[in-house]
Amino acid sequence: DGGITQSPKYLFRKEGQNVTLSCEQNLNHDAMYWYRQDPGQGLRLIYYSQIVNDFQKGDIAEGYSVSREKKESFPLTVTSAQKNPTAFYLCASSPSWESNYGYTFGSGTRLTVV
Amino acid sequence: GENVEQHPSTLSVQEGDSAVIKCTYSDSASNYFPWYKQELGKGPQLIIDIRSNVGEKKDQRIAVTLNKTAKHFSLHITETQPEDSAVYFCAAIGYGGSQGNLIFGKGTKLSVKP
Repeated sequence: DGGITQSPKYLFRKEGQNVTLSCEQNLNHDAMYWYRQDPGQGLRLIYYSQIVNDFQKGDIAEGYSVSREKKESFPLTVTSAQKNPTAFYLCASSPSWESNYGYTFGSGTRLTVV
Repeated sequence: GENVEQHPSTLSVQEGDSAVIKCTYSDSASNYFPWYKQELGKGPQLIIDIRSNVGEKKDQRIAVTLNKTAKHFSLHITETQPEDSAVYFCAAIGYGGSQGNLIFGKGTKLSVKP
């Protein structure tokens, strides 16, 4: 079955560490997205990628970085510059930037600072 | 850019009653309005969507209505069941500054009491 796989499901980060969250899709979607979810805040866009080798900052990009070297993969790195990284992170994809009608989410990664 | 407001933030109903969640949007150019259901610890799942060329869409116990003039759309769940308990998000496509992105409301936590 096609879908989006996020790993790991749970991740613990020590102060000052960088951590990378994985997102892989086999839906042949061009566009991919990373959202952060905090209680009562809804979904906030971190970064998005319209196509391979291209990505743009979203509303809360500070302290995060991404890469899009392959169509299937869009990893997110939470750097030490992100002062409050504890949150639930969701990856999503859609067929293309122009077509959001097949917007699909992964199952999320819960990141906790210890 | 697009702004989506969602109400109420929490909703509690008795099993068998109806539930209504309302959203307003700001960008008159938005033309696609999906609704997502998120169960605890999981990613959001698309449950129904509507495009701006129709005013209502139904799928079994779920319906969505759209009023383009007033720029609001609503989710209606009839004959609620305990498994309907979840957080529901509305969204609209943002054009202009956030072209192609889905802009999400902050969510409604629905509790269905048996």
